[in-house]
Amino acid sequence: AQSVTQLDSQVPVFEEAPVELRCNYSSSVSVYLFWYVQYPNQGLQLLLKYLSGSTLVKGINGFEAEFNKSQTSFHLRKPSVHISDTAEYFCAVTPFSGGTASKLTFGTGTRLQVTL
Amino acid sequence: NAGVTQTPKFRVLKTGQSMTLLCAQDMNHEYMYWYRQDPGMGLRLIHYSVGEGTTAKGEVPDGYNVSRLKKQNFLLGLESAAPSQTSVYFCASSPGGTSRREQYFGPGTRLTVT
Repeated sequence: AQSVTQLDSQVPVFEEAPVELRCNYSSSVSVYLFWYVQYPNQGLQLLLKYLSGSTLVKGINGFEAEFNKSQTSFHLRKPSVHISDTAEYFCAVTPFSGGTASKLTFGTGTRLQVTL
Repeated sequence: NAGVTQTPKFRVLKTGQSMTLLCAQDMNHEYMYWYRQDPGMGLRLIHYSVGEGTTAKGEVPDGYNVSRLKKQNFLLGLESAAPSQTSVYFCASSPGGTSRREQYFGPGTRLTVT
């Protein structure tokens, strides 16, 4: 079984400041990793994913994340945030194997609040 | 191309009533999923389907039933609603092959059971 921990439930930040949202996971098998974003009253949208290859992954809207296997982490970063980045961010994992369906295990989410 | 759509967007039920949530996707995806989202708990998988006519239980299946009679539709049923089922429900779909692990989400259905 897998589990995902997002230690920060809320992260307040000023516009144009850098931000890091932390994600740690636990799994007995290798996993794929994802970050999703949820804007108010909307569904989830894929920000970026790590499947294999380079451990630094770039996504949409200037976000990037780095996979660290030894620390079982997949932290999300942005060098300069905008008001429009205010949203809930979810980290998720799914095992390499495990049948045909990609059953995602989600973290509890981090609310990013960007202010002027 | 509408992607994943959900009907209805909002619903209020009394305890013991039944209802069906409809999810439709126009991307010809093989796999479909139903999740519920509760404050502080992230998203939890209720049921999923790996193809037309097949369904399987997820993490929190009790009190729900599903059907996938057509490839593009995935229905979630509540036979006797309980206040504990007050939640936001999301449907998702994913393609087969090497991309199957990327899921596309609908806008959600907010359900309140009184």
